[in-house]
Amino acid sequence: AQSVTQPDARVTVSQGASLQLRCKYSYSGTPYLFWYVQYPRQGLQLLLKYYSGDPVVQGVNGFEAEFSKSNSSFHPRKASVHWSDSAVYFCAVSRNSGTYQRFGTGTKLQVVP
Amino acid sequence: DMKVTQMPRYLIKRMGENVLLECGQDMSHETMYWYRQDPGLGLQLIYISYDVDSNSEGDIPKGYRVSRKKREHFSLILDSAKTNQTSVYFCASSLAQSQNTLYFGAGTRLSVL
Repeated sequence: AQSVTQPDARVTVSQGASLQLRCKYSYSGTPYLFWYVQYPRQGLQLLLKYYSGDPVVQGVNGFEAEFSKSNSSFHPRKASVHWSDSAVYFCAVSRNSGTYQRFGTGTKLQVVP
Repeated sequence: DMKVTQMPRYLIKRMGENVLLECGQDMSHETMYWYRQDPGLGLQLIYISYDVDSNSEGDIPKGYRVSRKKREHFSLILDSAKTNQTSVYFCASSLAQSQNTLYFGAGTRLSVL
């Protein structure tokens, strides 16, 4: 069975600083990896996803991530965060057809002046 | 316009009352989901629907049932609500294959007193 663990419940960074979010994936076979972002009082929106091809993925709002099969990692990074990036970020994993996405517990990002 | 609509957005019920949460999508997606979101637990899948009248239990189905009579509409029903069902409920939809993005509604915040 697939699972995800987000080790950081909260992350605080200064505006303009770089950011990397973390998620530990556990899966067998070919994984489908996702990151979603949830702004206050809204539903989740897709940030990034990977399921095949080029391991470097460009997402929305200046985020990118690189899939590493050896490390089972797919960590979004952003060179310079803005206060509007403050949100909760969720990683999720699914596998082949017939499985559904399982979500991590979320990382709350706060960007401070 | 790709949209998942949830009604109502906020709901207060007394313990033992019946609760109906409704969800609609305009993307003709085959698959629809009900998740609940609780602090520290992330999103947990309650039910998944693969199409009309084709529903399966997720990870936490106890105390819930669902109905899908039209592809664009998916309902979550709580018969005799309990205080531990106080939560934020999210509906989502996607194309059938598991590598596809989930599209989320804005959520329903349910309080059971």
